[in-house]
Amino acid sequence: AQSVTQLGSHVSVSEGALVLLRCNYSSSVPPYLFWYVQYPNQGLQLLLKYTSAATLVKGINGFEAEFKKSETSFHLTKPSAHMSDAAEYFCAVSPTSDSWGKLQFGAGTQVVVTP
Amino acid sequence: DTEVTQTPKHLVMGMTNKKSLKCEQHMGHRAMYWYKQKAKKPPELMFVYSYEKLSINESVPSRFSPECPNSSLLNLHLHALQPEDSALYLCASSQNEKQNQPQHFGDGTRLSIL
Repeated sequence: AQSVTQLGSHVSVSEGALVLLRCNYSSSVPPYLFWYVQYPNQGLQLLLKYTSAATLVKGINGFEAEFKKSETSFHLTKPSAHMSDAAEYFCAVSPTSDSWGKLQFGAGTQVVVTP
Repeated sequence: DTEVTQTPKHLVMGMTNKKSLKCEQHMGHRAMYWYKQKAKKPPELMFVYSYEKLSINESVPSRFSPECPNSSLLNLHLHALQPEDSALYLCASSQNEKQNQPQHFGDGTRLSIL
């Protein structure tokens, strides 16, 4: 069975500082990995995805994530935070096996950006 | 702007009412999903439709009844709901049910049960 853990339910970052959100998965076979963002009163928006191509994945809004098999991690980063980055971020995994497996979400990380 | 459109955006209903949530996408996606999201929690999968057929029901109570009239539309019929059913209901779609296909979400319907 697969699972995903997001370290830190709340992250506070200064405007212009590095944003680092941590995501670790646990499954015997590396899964497909996704990062979603949810702004207040909106649905989830896909930031980026890893589907076994390049390990460094670039997404929208200046975000990127690196897949590290040895660490079973897929951490999300952005070099310089903007006020508009304040939102809830979800890491999600789905299995790469042939049988269908639902998208498993982490608990989420709330990002607060301070001036 | 989201490519998955959900209506209404807000819905308040009593426990004896019958109402429906609607979801529409015109991306040619053949898989569609209903999720329930409580405040400060991740979405929880309720139903999956693949090629207009129900493929997954995550043991959802029968007071929630999904319907997929065609490949672009997904409905969720509500009847005799309980206060604990108050939540944000999200619809999503993906190209197909394959696991590497990202899901595209609507902005949801915020449901309040009185």
